[in-house]
Amino acid sequence: DTGVSQNPRHKITKRGQNVTFRCDPISEHNRLYWYRQTLGQGPEFLTYFQNEAQLEKSRLLSDRFSAERPKGSFSTLEIQRTEQGDSAMYLCASRQSPQGHEQETQYFGPGTRLLVL
Amino acid sequence: QKEVEQDPGPLSVPEGAIVSLNCTYSNSAFQYFMWYRQYSRKGPELLMYTYSSGNKEDGRFTAQVDKSSKYISLFIRDSQPSDSATYLCAMSTGFQKLVFGTGTRLLVSP
Repeated sequence: DTGVSQNPRHKITKRGQNVTFRCDPISEHNRLYWYRQTLGQGPEFLTYFQNEAQLEKSRLLSDRFSAERPKGSFSTLEIQRTEQGDSAMYLCASRQSPQGHEQETQYFGPGTRLLVL
Repeated sequence: QKEVEQDPGPLSVPEGAIVSLNCTYSNSAFQYFMWYRQYSRKGPELLMYTYSSGNKEDGRFTAQVDKSSKYISLFIRDSQPSDSATYLCAMSTGFQKLVFGTGTRLLVSP
């Protein structure tokens, strides 16, 4: 399978616990994005990387959230001291470097569904 | 007001109908327009991509972009029950984050 993969697919945790999600992008894609999707809403941008550099962070990304992409390949998203409001689907997407207008598309993984009790 | 507006539906049609899905937006800097299909509890799957204004056709799907009206559409011909899903419009100014609509839930009945 050469698509974007995410692990775990589901996570149930208690309020106050820390959780970490992993994303493996498509191998030749050097841009990686994180989004969050709540029920009945479209995905909302959280942050993105070009190689290992984190280039933009949304205001949605509070100081309890941290994302890394240490070697420019896989990425992790950690949420510290989880709150019930963090319950959502966390989506990862990747794309190639811009090489013209046809390279704008992002390809999404299956998501990690988080439930905070 | 959201940057991208999309009717959440649900939109119910009989099998074989032509489906029209739409989004409006407010940011005139958007140049890249996409439609994603999302089945329940799955990640979004890219359906159509258009740069700037114009039409693009792929099989039963046609995407239209009218930048002067800030309006994009997706048409599905000969709709099938397997087309039942949530359709998300997404757009960007270029090479950065995507801004999504809320998604329209489509139900195609046999």
